[in-house]
Amino acid sequence: AQKITQTQPGMFVQEKEAVTLDCTYDTSDQSYGLFWYKQPSSGEMIFLIYQGSYDEQNATEGRYSLNFQKARKSANLVISASQLGDSAMYFCAMREGRRGSGGYQKVTFGTGTKLQVIP
Amino acid sequence: NAGVTQTPKFRILKIGQSMTLQCTQDMNHNYMYWYRQDPGMGLKLIYYSVGAGITDKGEVPNGYNVSRSTTEDFPLRLELAAPSQTSVYFCASKGGVQETQYFGPGTRLLVL
Repeated sequence: AQKITQTQPGMFVQEKEAVTLDCTYDTSDQSYGLFWYKQPSSGEMIFLIYQGSYDEQNATEGRYSLNFQKARKSANLVISASQLGDSAMYFCAMREGRRGSGGYQKVTFGTGTKLQVIP
Repeated sequence: NAGVTQTPKFRILKIGQSMTLQCTQDMNHNYMYWYRQDPGMGLKLIYYSVGAGITDKGEVPNGYNVSRSTTEDFPLRLELAAPSQTSVYFCASKGGVQETQYFGPGTRLLVL
C-alpha cells in the first residue's frame, strides 16, 4: 500500500483563486509529521509547511495552510490567492517515528501534483 | 549559513565509469539522506545516515555506496555507472524543532 497518495497528477487554477492539493497517508504510528514541498521548474525542493500528528490546530504559513483531518488520514495543502510563481510540482511527505527518539525516522514522499496557475 | 550544498551540479558519465557526488551541510544535523528523482516521479531514498559513522540502505541502494566520516559530509559513490542511474540526485539533512528535511540544489547525472 502506498504510504503517501497524491491523486491529482495535474491541477489548473486561475490566478488569485484558491486551490487545494490532496494528500492522504497511511501509517500505524501515533507520532508522525506531514510536510509539503514545492519544486519549481528550476529543480530545487523548497519546504513549505509542517503539521505534527499531535498538533491540534491546522498549520499555516502565509498563503499556505494545511487542512489536517486525522481521522481521514488526509493532509491537504491549500494555497490562497494563487500567483503565477506558484506554478510548480508539489510533494506531500510523511515522517514516521517519534521526533527526537534517536532512531531512524523514515520519510516517504508522494508522487507529486503539478500545479499550473493561469493568468 | 549555506545550508546543504551539492557538487557537481551536472555530470555526464560513460557506462562503467565511477564518480562521487559530494554533499555538505553546515547546520550540524545528524540525519542526512540521499534521494534520486527520475523524470516526472517523486523521490526515492537511496541511503541515509543517522550520524557520523552510521549509514543504512534505503529503497534503492543497488549500485551506490555512502560513507559518513563527519557530521557535515555525506558523499554518494556510484560504481560502474549504468544508464538506469540517469537521474537527479538530492541530498538532504534533517533537523530543527519540526525535524524538517532541507534539500541541496541537486545533481543532474546523465549516463551514456
